[in-house]
Amino acid sequence: DTEVTQTPKHLVMGMTNKKSLKCEQHMGHRAMYWYKQKAKKPPELMFVYSYEKLSINESVPSRFSPECPNSSLLNLHLHALQPEDSALYLCASSHSGGARDTQYFGPGTRLTVL
Amino acid sequence: GQQLNQSPQSMFIQEGEDVSMNCTSSSIFNTWLWYKQDPGEGPVLLIALYKAGELTSNGRLTAQFGITRKDSFLNISASIPSDVGIYFCAGQNFPGVAGNMLTFGGGTRLMVKP
Repeated sequence: DTEVTQTPKHLVMGMTNKKSLKCEQHMGHRAMYWYKQKAKKPPELMFVYSYEKLSINESVPSRFSPECPNSSLLNLHLHALQPEDSALYLCASSHSGGARDTQYFGPGTRLTVL
Repeated sequence: GQQLNQSPQSMFIQEGEDVSMNCTSSSIFNTWLWYKQDPGEGPVLLIALYKAGELTSNGRLTAQFGITRKDSFLNISASIPSDVGIYFCAGQNFPGVAGNMLTFGGGTRLMVKP
């Protein structure tokens, strides 16, 4: 089973709203990732968690706040977003970040900020 | 951020045709990955290559890890309509911190000839 699940599938929010994206995997992976993808572009890395600790933050604005409550769950809390933050947000997971590690992606959350 | 050179950017296919695409980089990678992404979905891993010179097949797909570690190609034989989508190459290095970094190509969009 190489399934990463993400909820919700679609999200529309205003610039003053607070919302959260959720990602879950039950493959025993210890590294989890958030990516942002704009139309016709490749995914851009936002955050990496390894063993529930934030290990990489790609200079993402503080209006995006990641959280890893346990080894299976990854959240992305959203607050005071801008319309340009509208994108497909992808979660991925991998075993542990080693040299032969492979990332598996979820189906994504399509976010629209009004 | 850095992006790999992936070509062609787009191509039209007719059912039964063979398809080739490739990715080049100015720097070396330890791993090359090929993903396919359908509209509104997350990337799905097709093939992972871990060793320079490695040639790996997955059904009608064949991919190779270049000897110089700076390039990779993907071939699709006898294409079928469901091959339509966007194909991304990705290079991966173990950065020395927990979690892996993927560098993506710009994508190759496969479309069906009218």
